[in-house]
Amino acid sequence: QKEVEQDPGPLSVPEGAIVSLNCTYSNSAFQYFMWYRQYSRKGPELLMYTYSSGNKEDGRFTAQVDKSSKYISLFIRDSQPSDSATYLCAMKRAAGNKLTFGGGTRVLVKP
Amino acid sequence: EAGVAQSPRYKIIEKRQSVAFWCNPISGHATLYWYQQILGQGPKLLIQFQNNGVVDDSQLPKDRFSAERLKGVDSTLKIQPAKLEDSAVYLCASSAGLAEYNEQFFGPGTRLTVL
Repeated sequence: QKEVEQDPGPLSVPEGAIVSLNCTYSNSAFQYFMWYRQYSRKGPELLMYTYSSGNKEDGRFTAQVDKSSKYISLFIRDSQPSDSATYLCAMKRAAGNKLTFGGGTRVLVKP
Repeated sequence: EAGVAQSPRYKIIEKRQSVAFWCNPISGHATLYWYQQILGQGPKLLIQFQNNGVVDDSQLPKDRFSAERLKGVDSTLKIQPAKLEDSAVYLCASSAGLAEYNEQFFGPGTRLTVL
């Protein structure tokens, strides 16, 4: 069993729709939770960084963490074609700054 | 601020050949990481350096992979000899330090194809 599970997609939505992404994890040692966006032939770039359970909002992006269920989510409101990319969840333990990634979900926003 | 630089961007080799990748991290970043990203998967950490010392290389296949960061700045990752299953994108990342609040910044990666 992988430590971090993520549906690979692809997830296709019309422009303006809400994109909903999620990951589950098995290791309760993970304390920090991130979402990265990766465009084709580029490196991942950090979108959201959260620590505690609850919601965090940044513009069109909302990250949710539920540590009791070992479940994290990312919502993208008013999706744009430029949001078409692969979205990777990632997690860290309390020390060491080492990332464990999910497999990524490919998202396609159609104009 | 310049980002993480990697070269080459693409490399095609035959199995059993050797290959080396180069990474130049963001200036002043003490911590450097090499990840392997197989097509359709998330990046997997291979090795983590703090300055010129290895912090974690537990997932590095040491029979064929090696990495160094001799002067605590640039780093090279070598594969010798390559296998078909080494076909992947090799990502370099850097961060200001080891603390968990330090963001990792990724380079564009080197795409390796082993024939």
